[in-house]
Order: sequence, then C-alpha cells, then structure tokens
Amino acid sequence: AQTVTQSQPEMSVQEAETVTLSCTYDTSESNYYLFWYKQPPSRQMILVIRQEAYKQQNATENRFSVNFQKAAKSFSLKISDSQLGDTAMYFCAFMKHVAGGTSYGKLTFGQGTILTVHP
Amino acid sequence: GAVVSQHPSRVICKSGTSVKIECRSLDFQATTMFWYRQFPKKSLMLMATSNEGSKATYEQGVEKDKFLINHASLTLSTLTVTSAHPEDSSFYICSARGIGEKLFFGSGTQLSVL
Repeated sequence: AQTVTQSQPEMSVQEAETVTLSCTYDTSESNYYLFWYKQPPSRQMILVIRQEAYKQQNATENRFSVNFQKAAKSFSLKISDSQLGDTAMYFCAFMKHVAGGTSYGKLTFGQGTILTVHP
Repeated sequence: GAVVSQHPSRVICKSGTSVKIECRSLDFQATTMFWYRQFPKKSLMLMATSNEGSKATYEQGVEKDKFLINHASLTLSTLTVTSAHPEDSSFYICSARGIGEKLFFGSGTQLSVL
C-alpha cells in the first residue's frame, strides 16, 4: 500500500513571494504518477501539476514547479510569484501506473496543506 | 473541456433516510468513476471504484451495503447512502476517467444528516 505525507498542515506567504509545499511518499512501486491538486474554498479539485516517475525532469506549469527526488521519495511544490487566488488547500497525491491504464484515476492523497496568500 | 457534473451540491436529510448522489460525465464516456469522501479540512479518502456494467470495487473498511454504487451507463454513476446517520455527514466527491489518462472531478456534494 502507498502512503503520502504532507507534514505542513498550514503555510502562509506574502503576495508575490515564493513558497514551497512538502510531500513525501512511500511505495514499493517503480512506475507511478505524482500529482499536486488545489482545492479552493469552492471545494472543486483542480489539477496543478503531474509528474511521471520515469521522467527525471521536473514538471513545470507556469508559476508552479516541482522538485521530484525519486530516491528520497520526495515531491515538493514550489509556487512562485504567489497570488491571492492561490489561497487554497493543496493535496499531494500518488497513483500507481498499470500497463494499459486500467487503474488510472485511483488516487492516494496526502493530508493536505492549507496555503494562505496575504496581500 | 470535459466536465463532470455532480448533483446535488448540497443535501440535508433526516436520520434513517436514503440519499442518492449522481455523478455524470457530460461530454465523454467514463467507463470508470471513483467516489471519495472528505471530512472538513481533511484528506480525500477513496471509497470505491465504479465500473460501468459491473459491480463496484470497495476499499477496505467501506460498507458496501451502506454505500450503494451503481454505474449503469457510460456517463452516469450514482452513490446511494442508505439509512443515513449523522456520522455519514461528509463531503462526497466523484471523479471520472476520460480518454488519454485524463481525470476529471465533480464539484462535490455536502451531505448533512440530522
């Protein structure tokens, strides 16, 4: 079984500053995906970024980037130039990769980190 | 883009009654949908995997007779909370798998059992 741990229950950052959210995971799988999801007050789950474990290059999406350390089983999210709209709960999530994609979608989530961006 | 519609967004019911929540993929066929439960400011916990035309696969500790899942068509999965009690009060979210390793979430249902 997989576990995902987010050790920061709450974080805060000033607008325009940079913040890093931590995530570690434990798995015996060699092939998997890692995700960061954002859940704003509306509670709609929004995909922030996805990383395939076989890719060494860290994924980036505009102001969002990850630091994926496979050996250390670490997957942190960096948010640059923080904006007020980034205020949300952020979840790190793990998904096992199965050939054929039949299990795609079955996510194991971390506990979440509440991020507040202050003006 | 693809949309998953979840209804109702909020429901209040009396203890002992049953409540049905719908998860519908609006512009794609979803052979597999997933149901999660979330307590306030907590993580999402997978309850079950719903496969079109077959029985749902429940996660360990989830009562299949309490949480009935039906996936009768390629665009609709339903979760029925039977004989609901206050401890079933929670936020329920569905997700649907699309083509090409895409995953889409519904907007969630807040269930309050009085």
